[in-house]
Amino acid sequence: RKEVEQDPGPFNVPEGATVAFNCTYSNSASQSFFWYRQDCRKEPKLLMSVYSSGNEDGRFTAQLNRASQYISLLIRDSKLSDSATYLCVVASSGGYQKVTFGTGTKLQVIP
Amino acid sequence: EAGVAQSPRYKIIEKRQSVAFWCNPISGHATLYWYQQILGQGPKLLIQFQNNGVVDDSQLPKDRFSAERLKGVDSTLKIQPAKLEDSAVYLCASSSTPGPYEQYFGPGTRLTVT
Repeated sequence: RKEVEQDPGPFNVPEGATVAFNCTYSNSASQSFFWYRQDCRKEPKLLMSVYSSGNEDGRFTAQLNRASQYISLLIRDSKLSDSATYLCVVASSGGYQKVTFGTGTKLQVIP
Repeated sequence: EAGVAQSPRYKIIEKRQSVAFWCNPISGHATLYWYQQILGQGPKLLIQFQNNGVVDDSQLPKDRFSAERLKGVDSTLKIQPAKLEDSAVYLCASSSTPGPYEQYFGPGTRLTVT
């Protein structure tokens, strides 16, 4: 089983739609979780951290479910500019926190 | 604030040749990462430096890849000899602290091995 798994998509959604991605992780001791965004042929950029209590930033909401070992990203009122690949990032526990990226989920917002 | 700089942006070489990539992190960032991103996959960590010491190189193919970070600032990643499967984007990232804090990525070097 991969350390971090994501549905590669693509998710094709119309403008204004709500879309959600999940990411599962295998290490139950994982401590930190993030979503990065990567535009085509660009470098990844941090979208948001994922806290145990969940967090929201405008149209984006991230949730953590430790019992089922997954994190989620919800995007409301999708914009054309949201079209990108969304990378799930999981960091293990311990003195040195190893960071593992998922393969990414591709989102295409259609006019 | 200047971002992470990488060069070259593109490189085409033949298999069995050698190649080197350079990275200059954000000023003051102690932690530097090199990732390999193959088309359609997420970034895979090759090596992580804390200042000029190696923290993790468990996924670095040491028979052909090497990396150094002199004086805890700039870093160079080398491949010698290159194989076809090394075709990928090589991303450098830096962060101000070790661990899973925000990483700032450079634009990457797109390597094609023919």
